[in-house]
Amino acid sequence: EAQVTQNPRYLITVTGKKLTVTCSQNMNHEYMSWYRQDPGLGLRQIYYSMNVEVTDKGDVPEGYKVSRKEKRNFPLILESPSPNQTSLYFCASSSRDRGSPLHFGNGTRLTVT
Amino acid sequence: GENVEQHPSTLSVQEGDSAVIKCTYSDSASNYFPWYKQELGKRPQLIIDIRSNVGEKKDQRIAVTLNKTAKHFSLHITETQPEDSAVYFCAADMDTGRRALTFGSGTRLQVQP
Repeated sequence: EAQVTQNPRYLITVTGKKLTVTCSQNMNHEYMSWYRQDPGLGLRQIYYSMNVEVTDKGDVPEGYKVSRKEKRNFPLILESPSPNQTSLYFCASSSRDRGSPLHFGNGTRLTVT
Repeated sequence: GENVEQHPSTLSVQEGDSAVIKCTYSDSASNYFPWYKQELGKRPQLIIDIRSNVGEKKDQRIAVTLNKTAKHFSLHITETQPEDSAVYFCAADMDTGRRALTFGSGTRLQVQP
């Protein structure tokens, strides 16, 4: 089954404790991206990657890192989480074909205390 | 960068009525406009999209219209059903392959049985 898999689904952590949210897709998509979803703000792009070893900042990259060492994986790293990073995070992927739809993962609800 | 405004933020209709959600965008270079539906606790999923060379597109009870001159586009749902209840997001993209989708803030649609 074609899918984008994120882990974990829920995560509660404390300020400053490094964490990684994993994302993997099995559709051989070139493009992958991370979004955060906050009430009243919609989905905002954090980072994206057009292909292996190619990453770039989205609209809200501060406090986040990503890597794309393999085509299928695109982990999101919070080196020193803060309470304002409490949010619902979605990984997404698509092919580079014009107009191809974004496929979203099931989301990771992160709480930073 | 692109800015997408979406209205209304909440919409309640009676089953069988029509629902209309409107979005405006700021960047005239945007030429791809998808709509995503997010059911409670689930991931966003593409329901329909339109490109700038088309003024209207229909898929069963769902239609999207685009006015490039005015830089606005709308989602129309006819004969609404309770399962249409969800949050709907519009988005705009220059469709260069970067997939820099800018999302609206979302509309919570409630269809009353």
